[in-house]
Amino acid sequence: AQSVAQPEDQVNVAEGNPLTVKCTYSVSGNPYLFWYVQYPNRGLQFLLKYITGDNLVKGSYGFEAEFNKSQTSFHLKKPSALVSDSALYFCAVRPPNTGGFKTIFGAGTRLFVKA
Amino acid sequence: GAGVSQSPSNKVTEKGKDVELRCDPISGHTALYWYRQSLGQGLEFLIYFQGNSAPDKSGLPSDRFSAERTGGSVSTLTIQRTQQEDSAVYLCASSLGGLAASYEQYFGPGTRLTVT
Repeated sequence: AQSVAQPEDQVNVAEGNPLTVKCTYSVSGNPYLFWYVQYPNRGLQFLLKYITGDNLVKGSYGFEAEFNKSQTSFHLKKPSALVSDSALYFCAVRPPNTGGFKTIFGAGTRLFVKA
Repeated sequence: GAGVSQSPSNKVTEKGKDVELRCDPISGHTALYWYRQSLGQGLEFLIYFQGNSAPDKSGLPSDRFSAERTGGSVSTLTIQRTQQEDSAVYLCASSLGGLAASYEQYFGPGTRLTVT
């Protein structure tokens, strides 16, 4: 079955330190990969996506993600965390060649950045 | 420009009643999605519409759930004979469509449904 795993329910980071939020997927073929963020009392917002090309993609608010085909991973990273980055992060996968737009979301990882 | 809007923002209903949730997508977006987000859980895909194609209803949890999209724009998610386990935040999203499925989704603020 197609699935997306975010192995950490919560990630705690000190402000200024690098952060990583992990995502792995189980989808055949070459899927499209996305990260979304949900700030408290706000809607889900798109952060970045991988479609093809360079394995390192850059997105909003200084975030980037690295696609690793052999490990079927798409980890979200930021070199220096801010307190304002504290939010709920979702990894999402859109399987290719399905003839449609169905998207599978991970369960989410809550990021806490301490000052 | 205007984003995705949803109404109502909150809905409290009694068990057994029917509810309708509305979504207005971004103008020009041909793909529209419905998700359910339960407390502390991720997003559960319910249904999506793409242009004039038949909707993908594979995520609807039971036949009490249905959705329609009129004129390729506004969508309504209907839950009949609501149950307490239907309590959740219902999210609508839209995106550009066409042959490429690489477009990101834009989400509405959600409708919080509470079934008492």
